[in-house]
Amino acid sequence: EVQLVESGGGLLQPGRSLRLSCAASGFNFDDYAMHWVRQAPGKGLEWVSSINWNGKSTGYAESVKGRFTVSRDNAKTSLYLEMNSLRAEDTAFYYCAKNNVAVAAAGPLNIWGQGTLVTVSS
Amino acid sequence: EIVLTQSPGTLSLRPGERATLSCRASQSISVDYLAWYQQKPGQAPRLLIYGASGRATGIPDRFSGGGSGTDFTLTISRLEPEDFAVYYCQQFATSPPRLTFGGGTKVEIK
Repeated sequence: EVQLVESGGGLLQPGRSLRLSCAASGFNFDDYAMHWVRQAPGKGLEWVSSINWNGKSTGYAESVKGRFTVSRDNAKTSLYLEMNSLRAEDTAFYYCAKNNVAVAAAGPLNIWGQGTLVTVSS
Repeated sequence: EIVLTQSPGTLSLRPGERATLSCRASQSISVDYLAWYQQKPGQAPRLLIYGASGRATGIPDRFSGGGSGTDFTLTISRLEPEDFAVYYCQQFATSPPRLTFGGGTKVEIK
């Protein structure tokens, strides 16, 4: 079964750091770009970051550029999001998602995890 | 940066009726780069349509997508009870990788 499982969310104060993980299984992880998408409670979807299959090409939303870093470990079939200088507006469910098309750096997202909640509050 | 504007914000319909959702891009995009998702409360989004009109695996044929250039539509031919949800359009770029989502359309029971 193709599956993505996020972990690492929690409650933390503004300015702190957090690392999210996404464990992938059931597909050839190193063939696909991966993405992070977030959703503030009651709001719409917001793209956060993407990383291509070999990790050499990444992209970030302007709202997180310079604060968040995406990475992957193909040997461990895992995706990561390092989040620094967290702000209240970063509060959201964070989903990892798999690209629909192999090799392409971005595309439709055909597999999503269930999300992990990050709450930034003093 | 391409902005996707979805309309209406909310669509109130009855089961069995036809739903037509709109997604307008701030500049022309390739049909290959337009997708639609469905999201139900407490669940992750689910891919419905890719390439503007291709149905994803397991998606019933009452869902169809169309359009080109800056105007795209998602049509649900006859609403089933399980179709009441929020729908998002999405476009993407590959160099560097970048995704954009529309603001969503909620399809609610009238």
